Amino acid sequence: ETGVTQSPTHLIKTRGQQVTLRCSSQSGHNTVSWYQQALGQGPQFIFQYYREEENGRGNFPPRFSGLQFPNYSSELNVNALELDDSALYLCASSSPLGPQGGYGYTFGSGTRLTVV
Amino acid sequence: AQSVTQLDSHVSVSEGTPVLLRCNYSSSYSPSLFWYVQHPNKGLQLLLKYTSAATLVKGINGFEAEFKKSETSFHLTKPSAHMSDAAEYFCVVRGDFNKFYFGSGTKLNVKP
Repeated sequence: ETGVTQSPTHLIKTRGQQVTLRCSSQSGHNTVSWYQQALGQGPQFIFQYYREEENGRGNFPPRFSGLQFPNYSSELNVNALELDDSALYLCASSSPLGPQGGYGYTFGSGTRLTVV
Repeated sequence: AQSVTQLDSHVSVSEGTPVLLRCNYSSSYSPSLFWYVQHPNKGLQLLLKYTSAATLVKGINGFEAEFKKSETSFHLTKPSAHMSDAAEYFCVVRGDFNKFYFGSGTKLNVKP
């Protein structure tokens, strides 16, 4: 059973609105990454946080932002939602060994966001 | 730059027959490669990983993959498919700052 929990599981928003997605990682997992998986595609890297600071970002505009908290939870915020933001958003965490060691990333089941 | 190409978007096999899911990679340095599986409405689960140790990597549920540098390939295989293997499979290469680059996925259908 996955140790990463995401909420909500499904969400419908209107274009132009703002949304906050939440993720609770396994204790001790101090690296968290967020991915966007559009329908029929592989996940795309949005950004990564390590010890509460962003340390890597993919090709996503600044209206995608995040936070990581000391209790191993994190948030993905998206402002000014666009129709193309409709996707499954995945949170992934890894142990202090990093995702290249141990067991890679542990992924949550995702939040399916629909923008209408 | 790092990237992976999954050569088949859909693969269909009969239960009990071998599975082959193909993946080619591109990396400017010695890559770390992974295979993940995604069942419907589930998160991604790690099947196996290659990080420059043995070239033949064994994973969970009877899957294995062979790293072939000369062919820049990391194909996923299983000797005998089960119905429960039906899912989408992603080949992944690790990039800078632990960014993971996913392929476009291969949907595996297992026929009874």
